[in-house]
Amino acid sequence: GESVGLHLPTLSVQEGDNSIINCAYSNSASDYFIWYKQESGKGPQFIIDIRSNMDKRQGQRVTVLLNKTVKHLSLQIAATQPGDSAVYFCAETPPMIKAAGNKLTFGGGTRVLVKP
Amino acid sequence: NAGVMQNPRHLVRRRGQEARLRCSPMKGHSHVYWYRQLPEEGLKFMVYLQKENIIDESGMPKERFSAEFPKEGPSILRIQQVVRGDSAAYFCASSRAPPYNEQFFGPGTRLTVL
Repeated sequence: GESVGLHLPTLSVQEGDNSIINCAYSNSASDYFIWYKQESGKGPQFIIDIRSNMDKRQGQRVTVLLNKTVKHLSLQIAATQPGDSAVYFCAETPPMIKAAGNKLTFGGGTRVLVKP
Repeated sequence: NAGVMQNPRHLVRRRGQEARLRCSPMKGHSHVYWYRQLPEEGLKFMVYLQKENIIDESGMPKERFSAEFPKEGPSILRIQQVVRGDSAAYFCASSRAPPYNEQFFGPGTRLTVL
């Protein structure tokens, strides 16, 4: 079936450097994409989202890029901090049908370790 | 404004017992989603509910699992006759009416089946 997957299971980054987390998705009809951060023992925390009619969206220290041609999504974290250490998940939703809601299909996750 | 609340946070059951997991959505949210997460894996969708209605249960096992979201009170995920393979973290999320509305997740219930 359709799935969302990630290239790198673990990413080590020096404090202050930029981090890039990648995600490949297989459903070309996917309509909405979200990045979540999950710290140990906690629920996923929303970071940033992007709709399929956009190719870039910026937040505070984070940028999400969407390349629909190759079905690729990335999350860039600027000036990575120790508090950014967590597992990051990309998630997608199928084309929006109001009655169907926006159930999320999650990728397998990338663990980010920030070295001081 | 309290976030999504789940209880209990940890639940231990023996094989064959029943597990009841509760989720109170954020204030103003009438859409609830349940997800399951195995260690070192992503979350898997189970069921989507609105008040008094199950909208999508395509991710829910056909047997032993059920969910409800009554007019009053929290949403309940019920697992009957638990087996060891049911051990996982179960997360609830809530949102306003879709589409494109952020899902806010609760802290999860970690179920351990002995």
